Amino acid sequence: SQQGEEDPQALSIQEGENATMNCSYKTSINNLQWYRQNSGRGLVHLILIRSNEREKHSGRLRVTLDTSKKSSSLLITASRAADTASYFCATDVGNKLTFGGGTRVLVKP
Amino acid sequence: NAGVMQNPRHLVRRRGQEARLRCSPMKGHSHVYWYRQLPEEGLKFMVYLQKENIIDESGMPKERFSAEFPKEGPSILRIQQVVRGDSAAYFCASSPWDRVAKNIQYFGAGTRLSVL
Repeated sequence: SQQGEEDPQALSIQEGENATMNCSYKTSINNLQWYRQNSGRGLVHLILIRSNEREKHSGRLRVTLDTSKKSSSLLITASRAADTASYFCATDVGNKLTFGGGTRVLVKP
Repeated sequence: NAGVMQNPRHLVRRRGQEARLRCSPMKGHSHVYWYRQLPEEGLKFMVYLQKENIIDESGMPKERFSAEFPKEGPSILRIQQVVRGDSAAYFCASSPWDRVAKNIQYFGAGTRLSVL
């Protein structure tokens, strides 16, 4: 089973709306990261939140982390068509990143 | 500073052939990671290498797959006697030594392997 599981699997919103996606994981972590993947491309690092942090902001991104529930959320505010992509959470386990299955976000203009 | 370069971007092989995927990390990066992504799924870790050393290959299939990161030149992921189930996107990522502790990795655009 995967370390990270995203929810929902797919999300369709109108431009300007907010998009929220969640990630749950199973084991203790040092950090949790969110990555974006545009169709047919590699992953782009968005934001990292440490296990002792509860919330972090970067531009229109807001990430929360609840280690007691082993969950994280990514909020994209005022979405744009260019935000259309798959979003993955990743936890670091030893030397490697373990990714969830991703949330596919479609932002309609 | 060029990003992580992977080539080829697309590779078509017939069953039984060999596939060689190349990855040049970002300049100054000495840590390389290989991941595999099946359609509609997340990335699965395969192997972590430093120059001339395999650090963690816990995600590599036991047979037919090998990886290297020589002192000079790119990292190579080699798949011998490919089968249809090997069809996937293979991503390489790199990180510099000072990012290792945070595990922030920089990804290439991937090689899409299709096995006929």
